[in-house]
Amino acid sequence: NAGVTQTPKFRVLKTGQSMTLLCAQDMNHEYMYWYRQDPGMGLRLIHYSVGEGTTAKGEVPDGYNVSRLKKQNFLLGLESAAPSQTSVYFCASSYFSGRQETQYFGPGTRLLVL
Amino acid sequence: AQTVTQSQPEMSVQEAETVTLSCTYDTSESNYYLFWYKQPPSRQMILVIRQEAYKQQNATENRFSVNFQKAAKSFSLKISDSQLGDTAMYFCASNFGNEKLTFGTGTRLTIIP
Repeated sequence: NAGVTQTPKFRVLKTGQSMTLLCAQDMNHEYMYWYRQDPGMGLRLIHYSVGEGTTAKGEVPDGYNVSRLKKQNFLLGLESAAPSQTSVYFCASSYFSGRQETQYFGPGTRLLVL
Repeated sequence: AQTVTQSQPEMSVQEAETVTLSCTYDTSESNYYLFWYKQPPSRQMILVIRQEAYKQQNATENRFSVNFQKAAKSFSLKISDSQLGDTAMYFCASNFGNEKLTFGTGTRLTIIP
């Protein structure tokens, strides 16, 4: 049971390049989330999904797209990377039981956009 | 707006002492959950403790306990007998009654040997 995994762990991009971050969970969780963490700002929600085939915007969605084609995977895409997207990205997942369940986090992906 | 505020950017305490981290929040919801997450230097986010707002009894997990004051919208974390491994960033968070979490800006805690 690996929990929540993220690929890659670290990436350097040039401005304008695109990339996809992969999040995978093996806990059969319905809900999945993408956050970004910047110094002094805590974690901010980018996009989330409440089930396979669904996505919704979070607090800071601009410049990002997501897809949830399979229940266990949640992809975060940057179509044209900007230096402002330099950050640490965390994926999380949680079970749904009609009440708030604990979110389990992946180890994070460090992204540097030059 | 629903917000979570952590007013202590940094704290330090001697090993084996007790330390309390503060968290306040603002919401008009009556049923919600509150969380404390720990982020050590490895960056992994680890759940420390959670509290359901409709429960009056304060949650405890071994050396970790909370002081939940619903009317004051306060949710502080107390760490007893602090250990070097407690050195980390601590984030307070709430779901405010929905499926998303709102985080505070964190408190960097250093345990001094």
